[in-house]
Amino acid sequence: DAEITQSPRHKITETGRQVTLACHQTWNHNNMFWYRQDLGHGLRLIHYSYGVQDTNKGEVSDGYSVSRSNTEDLPLTLESAASSQTSVYFCASRDGTGELFFGEGSRLTVL
Amino acid sequence: DQQVKQNSPSLSVQEGRISILNCDYTNSMFDYFLWYKKYPAEGPTFLISISSIKDKNEDGRFTVFLNKSAKHLSLHIVPSQPGDSAVYFCAASRWGSGGSNYKLTFGKGTLLTVNP
Repeated sequence: DAEITQSPRHKITETGRQVTLACHQTWNHNNMFWYRQDLGHGLRLIHYSYGVQDTNKGEVSDGYSVSRSNTEDLPLTLESAASSQTSVYFCASRDGTGELFFGEGSRLTVL
Repeated sequence: DQQVKQNSPSLSVQEGRISILNCDYTNSMFDYFLWYKKYPAEGPTFLISISSIKDKNEDGRFTVFLNKSAKHLSLHIVPSQPGDSAVYFCAASRWGSGGSNYKLTFGKGTLLTVNP
């Protein structure tokens, strides 16, 4: 079955370190998204991509970057992790019906 | 500026009764609406959607109602079951051609607890 997977599922890092969260989907969807979920804020869009070599900033993009070198992957990089980036991160891809399919999430703790 | 609002952080209902979750939006350009359900330690999963050409969409125990003039939608769950206990997110989007229309904007979520 086609799916979307995130890794790692859990990560603890230190302030200032670079962190990369991986996202891989096998549906061949062009649209991919990264969200973060925080208590009291719901799901907020970090970055998104509509295809290879296309990347766009969402509402909370500061401190994050993404790259899209192929259809299947959209890695999210925190260039210099900050405690404010402690969160649960969800990757998602979207098909032509408009429905988003989410990964299981990556819980990141920045100490 | 919160474009999608779920004003009730939590809702508690008895098993077998109706659960009504509400959502308001401010952007009149939104024309496609979805509800997602999220269990702890899992990713959100799609539940039901509705486009602005309809005012109601049903799928089993789940019905979504859309009131465009009030910019309001609601999710009805009848009858509610303990397994429905989860966080429910309302989401909205513009539909149509062009990549810029595909972003989903989410509300903050409502935690539904269905008591046996």
